[in-house]
Amino acid sequence: QSVVTQPPSASGTPGQRVTISCSGSSSSIGTNNVNWYQQLPGTAPKLLIYGNDQRPSGVSDRFSGSKSGTSASLAISGLQSGDEADYYCAAWDDSLNGAVFGGGTQLTVL
Amino acid sequence: EVQLLESGGGLVQPGGSLRLSCVASGFTFSNYAMSWVRQAPGKGLEWVSAISGSGDSTYYADSVKGRFTISRDNSKKTLSLQMNSLKAEDTAVYYCAKSTVVFGRSSRSDSWGQGTQVTVSS
Repeated sequence: QSVVTQPPSASGTPGQRVTISCSGSSSSIGTNNVNWYQQLPGTAPKLLIYGNDQRPSGVSDRFSGSKSGTSASLAISGLQSGDEADYYCAAWDDSLNGAVFGGGTQLTVL
Repeated sequence: EVQLLESGGGLVQPGGSLRLSCVASGFTFSNYAMSWVRQAPGKGLEWVSAISGSGDSTYYADSVKGRFTISRDNSKKTLSLQMNSLKAEDTAVYYCAKSTVVFGRSSRSDSWGQGTQVTVSS
């Protein structure tokens, strides 16, 4: 069982804004940066947000991240069918001395 | 262009061993930490292990500590994962991932390989 918690599923209609939450602990999210990954079906994960709220070059500005205390959120605005994927948050955990991934959230565009 | 090419996966019996390799190209290999992340069938991502750019520091998930060994050969731009005492629950696609920093204590990976399948079954 992951020490970082995400809702297993989320959904929205095209054009809507959806948010995905990520809850950790003082030793993980509370102390270290959060990174978000997008995994499209049958493909390797892709870095979507790094350093809590930074977008890598090439990532649409429809994706945004935030962090407060021991929780973080990923927001996707202007939802598109191509956004259907699994989304994972990740952070280093100082107590475990290792990285931890959230359980993942499957996003469905209705 | 960064490329990571994993190999070495396959079918192995419980208790057996397997060695995964990841050949890197397109960047200065020794300047970046590297990680292994796995994904069991129908499950989420699980961080397995990381190694600093120099290879001096290594980190392991509790689930593999004492059974898996991560290493790197910077002259050959190759990352390896020696997996011993394999269990059914080690069955997964194993991804090689490049960090954005030289030290290993980071969950930020900006490039991933295509993955190699490891199946542990009798």
